[in-house]
Amino acid sequence: DVKVTQSSRYLVKRTGEKVFLECVQDMDHENMFWYRQDPGLGLRLIYFSYDVKMKEKGDIPEGYSVSREKKERFSLILESASTNQTSMYLCASSQGQHRPQHFGDGTRLSIL
Amino acid sequence: AQTVTQSQPEMSVQEAETVTLSCTYDTSESDYYLFWYKQPPSRQMILVIRQEAYKQQNATENRFSVNFQKAAKSFSLKISDSQLGDAAMYFCAYRTADGGSNYKLTFGKGTLLTVNP
Repeated sequence: DVKVTQSSRYLVKRTGEKVFLECVQDMDHENMFWYRQDPGLGLRLIYFSYDVKMKEKGDIPEGYSVSREKKERFSLILESASTNQTSMYLCASSQGQHRPQHFGDGTRLSIL
Repeated sequence: AQTVTQSQPEMSVQEAETVTLSCTYDTSESDYYLFWYKQPPSRQMILVIRQEAYKQQNATENRFSVNFQKAAKSFSLKISDSQLGDAAMYFCAYRTADGGSNYKLTFGKGTLLTVNP
């Protein structure tokens, strides 16, 4: 089975901090994604990557950046955390163009 | 841009009964994929079923089936013989099948399904 692992299940940070959310997949997938999930809004794509060192903006990239130095790892970075970034963050990966995405368990991030 | 609409924020069903969750989408593309994902309280998103737009036959996975109406841009999920473990948030999602690197999913806002014993 595909395993997508997010480093933290819960995280509490302070406004202005630099925050790193890590995601690792073990199936050599080409594509990786970061979503945020908010009640009543569903999942919205922040960034995705289809290869090492490649990244593309999703629907809501403002306030975020990403890093993909190795194929298995995709990091989401909040450069200066703000309270409106309090949310559930979900990482996903997929192989090729036609395969479905597999999701991690999510990180519930609170910015105080 | 594609949009996905789930018009039912919440639904409930009695155990062993059948329930249908609605999903409509808007696209100008002719080839695409549609998905239903389930997110139980444990939070992990699990793929329930997927449909390729070029296939006329409705996808089926055990107790889960879809009613795909391409002309109407409708993609409903039917759950038969509902079980307590089916209680979850259900998301409908769209993805283009065009070439290039656009593999992103567009999600609806979700439908919270409650199963009553």
